[in-house]
This record gives sequence, structure tokens and C-alpha cells, in this order.
Amino acid sequence: QQQVKQSPQSLIVQKGGISIINCAYENTAFDYFPWYQQFPGKGPALLIAIRPDVSEKKEGRFTISFNKSAKQFSLHIMDSQPGDSATYFCAAGTYKYIFGTGTRLKVLA
Amino acid sequence: EAGVAQSPRYKIIEKRQSVAFWCNPISGHATLYWYQQILGQGPKLLIQFQNNGVVDDSQLPKDRFSAERLKGVDSTLKIQPAKLEDSAVYLCASSAPVGKGNEKLFFGSGTQLSVL
Repeated sequence: QQQVKQSPQSLIVQKGGISIINCAYENTAFDYFPWYQQFPGKGPALLIAIRPDVSEKKEGRFTISFNKSAKQFSLHIMDSQPGDSATYFCAAGTYKYIFGTGTRLKVLA
Repeated sequence: EAGVAQSPRYKIIEKRQSVAFWCNPISGHATLYWYQQILGQGPKLLIQFQNNGVVDDSQLPKDRFSAERLKGVDSTLKIQPAKLEDSAVYLCASSAPVGKGNEKLFFGSGTQLSVL
């Protein structure tokens, strides 16, 4: 099965700092790259997504950077807040998706 | 808009017993997915339905897992007999198209299964 490799496994950031999570994929046919946010006891919820025809997408404090040639993409959370503390999953695919292993983010108040 | 509903919320069984999970997707969503999320890992697709037909069940352990989606709405996932390694959260999702053949997934809160 095609993999999506995600790093780091866990991340601790001070309030107001920048959180950066990285993912790498293998299949060049993938054309949709969503990020999901999951709180304990809840299912993942779509946060932001990008297609490979753009190199960056920004929605509020969340930005995806996409490097098609390197087959890598990353999530940047600006001005990180304690409420952002959650597990973040990257995913890649077309109409179905392979998920990364997740990054547990903790933002310290 | 109501979200994806799943039940039960938790289930504890002994190995070799059987268990069933139920999912009601968002109204109007034709595509339904069952994912398995083992602790510390990302969701892994088990089966995907389009209406009441199976699109992909390549990752479903068919010797013990079965799923159906009658009338293209509700779905049930069954495990019989359960093994210790089946302990996981079982997530149901339905999806809406976002253009260019891509889908946005909406997940339920999942069923946490513990096999003792």
C-alpha cells in the first residue's frame, strides 16, 4: 500500500509560536491533500486541503505549503493557541485517502 | 445539519466473540466509508460504499469482517470472530464532492472496541 509519512510524532509549542508538521507521499497520481484535526474522543475533522496546482494555501492561521517535485507538503499553524492542542493527520489521494500516522500537538499556555 | 451518527460508543468483548457497529451517514451523502484507527496510528480504510455497492474492500479482512449498506443509507460493520488485534476505534465517514473528483470526508465519533 502507498504510504504517507508524517513527522514529527509529537510536538510541543509555546502559545503564540509556529507549529510545523511535515508529510511526504509516494504516489504522483495523488491530487488532493487534506489535513484533519482530531480531538480526543472525536472523529477527525477536515481543517484545510490543497491540490498540487498551487504551492500554498492559507486559511486564517493555518497554511499548507506544497512541494510537488519533492512530493512533500506541510501544515503551518501560526500564532498557535492552547485550543489547537489536538492530533493532526495529513492525508493524500484522489477520491479515497491514505492517512499519515498523526502528530500530537500540545500548545502550552 | 446532523453529522455522521455511530453506535455504540464503546464495546468490550472477549476474543472469539462477535460484534457489530452501526453508522448513519449525513443525509444525501452517497459515499460511506469504514475506517479502523489503532491507537497511535492514522485511520486505515476498511471498506468504501457508493450507494449500496462496494467500491473498495481491498483492506477488509474478509475472513472475519463483513459490512453491508442496505438501501444505500445506514451501514453495519461486523467482526466475527474478534481477535485481540481488532482492538481499535472504528470510524464511519460519509463524503461530499469538492470538485475534480475529490471528496471531503465527514467522520463520526467512532466506536471504541476493546477485545479482551
